This record gives sequence, C-alpha cells and structure tokens, in this order.
Amino acid sequence: TQLLEQSPQFLSIQEGENLTVYCNSSSVFSSLQWYRQEPGEGPVLLVTVVTGGEVKKLKRLTFQFGDARKDSSLHITAAQPGDTGLYLCAGAASGGSNYKQTFGKGTLLTVNP
Amino acid sequence: DAGVIQSPRHEVTEMGQEVTLRCKPISGHDYLFWYRQTMMRGLELLIYFNNNVPIDDSGMPEDRFSAKMPNASFSTLKIQPSEPRDSAVYFCASRLGSGNTIYFGEGSWLTVV
Repeated sequence: TQLLEQSPQFLSIQEGENLTVYCNSSSVFSSLQWYRQEPGEGPVLLVTVVTGGEVKKLKRLTFQFGDARKDSSLHITAAQPGDTGLYLCAGAASGGSNYKQTFGKGTLLTVNP
Repeated sequence: DAGVIQSPRHEVTEMGQEVTLRCKPISGHDYLFWYRQTMMRGLELLIYFNNNVPIDDSGMPEDRFSAKMPNASFSTLKIQPSEPRDSAVYFCASRLGSGNTIYFGEGSWLTVV
C-alpha cells in the first residue's frame, strides 16, 4: 500500500500571506492529483501532474511534481479566505491501475480575513 | 448538468440497524467509486465498479459491508449490522473512462450510536 504523507496537517494564516503544503511518499506515482474539499462537500479536482519536475499554475496556485515523482507541493500566493478548505493529494501507483488512487489525509487550511 | 447525487445526506442510526446509502452517478459515466472519510484514516476507497461490474472491493472493511450496482444510474452501499466505528462520511464518485477527472458527490454523513 502506497502511503502519502501531507504536511502540515493544519495551517492557519492571515489573508495575503503565502503558503506551501507538501505531499510526500516513498513510492513512485505515475500521476498525482490535488483536490480541495470545502466543508460539507466532496473533494473537487484542482490539477493533475504526470511528468517529473512538472509545474502547473492555476491562478494563484502553483503545483509542482518532484523529479522522482515521489512528492509534490502546492504553493498559494496571497491567500484569500476563499482558499480555506482541506487540500488533498492523491497518487496513482506507477505501473499499477490508474483507477485506484491513494489519498493523503490532507492539509486543513484556514485563511483569516 | 446534475452532479453525483447521494442520499441520504445525513443519517443517525442505532447500532445493529441496517444502513443503505444510495448514489446516482453522472449520466454516461462508466466508473463508480465508493469512498469513506474519517479524521483518523482520511479518504479510503472501498469499492469501484466499471460498467456496473465490481472490479476491486479490497477496501471493503468486512462482510458487514456490501455494494451493488444494478444499473448504470444507481448504486447502493449497505452496512448490516451497523456499528459505531462505521460512523464516517461516505462519498460516491463517478468518472468517464480511465484517467479522467473523478467527480464526487456531497457525501452521506453517517452516525451510528
């Protein structure tokens, strides 16, 4: 079973600050996804990264996949209260079925106005 | 377009009772997933179907859990008998094809007392 460790587990910051959250594993993943989950709702996909070293940007969010495809980071610039939520990473094992993803436990982000 | 629809949204039941959770996937999607989310264990895949056929049920915790998909537009997850440790949020999700975005429902919040 591949394990994904996310850090920090909790993060509370002020509006306008920058932050980075991490997703690490000892396993190699063929692809990695980041989701955001708001209270009372299901996770919503933000991005999928598939190539080692890949960087993707989504407005103020920057996602990076590690060169070895074992880790990933999410950087948010000038955080806003609307960014509040649980950020989950999920990896599909290299060589395995892409249908079965392993989820990290998430980073719970609170952005205070 | 309607997303993944789950019912009930909330259920409180007594230990030993049967619980049935229902899911209507997005029309045309050929994959359906059942997940369970808890603070301790995060988001765990219980079972998934492809074209109404169960493909991998290795995540189903024990024989008290069963899932069916009688047709392309309906699936159930049943717990009989329920136990307090089954208390969690149960998500249904669907996807079109392999390697594409998984769409989650809003979840069914189950409390077993």
